[in-house]
Amino acid sequence: GAGVSQSPRYKVAKRGQDVALRCDPISGHVSLFWYQQALGQGPEFLTYFQNEAQLDKSGLPSDRFFAERPEGSVSTLKIQRTQQEDSAVYLCASSPPGLAANEQFFGPGTRLTVL
Amino acid sequence: AQSVTQLDSQVPVFEEAPVELRCNYSSSVSVYLFWYVQYPNQGLQLLLKYLSGSTLVKGINGFEAEFNKSQTSFHLRKPSVHISDTAEYFCAVTLRAAGNKLTFGGGTRVLVKP
Repeated sequence: GAGVSQSPRYKVAKRGQDVALRCDPISGHVSLFWYQQALGQGPEFLTYFQNEAQLDKSGLPSDRFFAERPEGSVSTLKIQRTQQEDSAVYLCASSPPGLAANEQFFGPGTRLTVL
Repeated sequence: AQSVTQLDSQVPVFEEAPVELRCNYSSSVSVYLFWYVQYPNQGLQLLLKYLSGSTLVKGINGFEAEFNKSQTSFHLRKPSVHISDTAEYFCAVTLRAAGNKLTFGGGTRVLVKP
């Protein structure tokens, strides 16, 4: 079946521009996570949704970062007034309900480069 | 809060040789443990996980890992590597509750040489 998809795969933005990154989770997965992976480092948690509710946004680095999942499926991560330090790969993951809930399935990521 | 340390940032290894990637974690509560692999320009793929039960866990592609509670370790091993195992490997933990975030180590880059 289809996995987690993300678009665009690559995004180049000029400093100060706003960007929107999209994540399509696996159908039926209620949990959705966003992670930021800087070059040469492990992914770091940004935010978590259960259905449309954003239950944890403790990892968002500043108020320029905003995520939404209005209908409990597709999610968008928005970064306003991008800065060079925002350059990273943004990974989306989803997980199913029930006992398997702790296994997360990852998308290919969006590589953001801020010039 | 939990944390994960991968002691080796890079491991060169010859084809058909064994490899061990070390992972240590710290947490004040029980956790689930995972190993993920990341091939170039791809997302993370689950290799194996420890939830409970037997401390020796077998995963895909011939990998296995052993959970050691007393040493808070979850080292990954493969007895004979292939060129195709060249990738970055991440150890991760999550709290034992649904919907919890993964905390990752810094990753270990494995380079398999012919």
